[in-house]
Amino acid sequence: GENVEQHPSTLSVQEGDSAVIKCTYSDSASNYFPWYKQELGKGPQLIIDIRSNVGEKKDQRIAVTLNKTAKHFSLHITETQPEDSAVYFCAASSSGTYKYIFGTGTRLKVLA
Amino acid sequence: GAGVSQSPSNKVTEKGKDVELRCDPISGHTALYWYRQSLGQGLEFLIYFQGNSAPDKSGLPSDRFSAERTGGSVSTLTIQRTQQEDSAVYLCASSLGSGGDNEQFFGPGTRLTVL
Repeated sequence: GENVEQHPSTLSVQEGDSAVIKCTYSDSASNYFPWYKQELGKGPQLIIDIRSNVGEKKDQRIAVTLNKTAKHFSLHITETQPEDSAVYFCAASSSGTYKYIFGTGTRLKVLA
Repeated sequence: GAGVSQSPSNKVTEKGKDVELRCDPISGHTALYWYRQSLGQGLEFLIYFQGNSAPDKSGLPSDRFSAERTGGSVSTLTIQRTQQEDSAVYLCASSLGSGGDNEQFFGPGTRLTVL
């Protein structure tokens, strides 16, 4: 069945450094790739998404890249801040279905 | 505007009791999802509702789990004869449309503890 692998499971960076989280998907029909941030005690919130007709999207300190050929997509956070500490989930889906296939999550810790 | 709301925020129950968890989706959202998140784990899909269509119950882990969505809005997830392994955070999400490229908006979750 469809699968999304996410790495690393935990990531610690110094404040101001960059963080990169990588995901690989298996379903070639996937064309929508959201990233969610989950803070402690809260539900996941969408922070950025990308569709398959573009290779990169940026929103201030956050960017996502997509390599459809390799079925890889990545989240890049630059100039990390303590408030970036959270669990991040990637997901893959397609307009032809309703299900998101979520990755297993990455716990990011930004050390002050 | 109001987001997805869930109640209760926390529920502690004894093994063998039944529990009901409530989700109020964003007004106008036709799609509604329930997920389960065990401690430190990812999001496990449970059930999906879309308009008046038959729900996709393929993720429900056992027949002790059931869910309803009345009037295309509020949804209730019921767990009968709760077991300790049911302890988890139960998340509800809604989206404007049924396509997978619609953003899912999550509620804050209900933390269920079965003693």
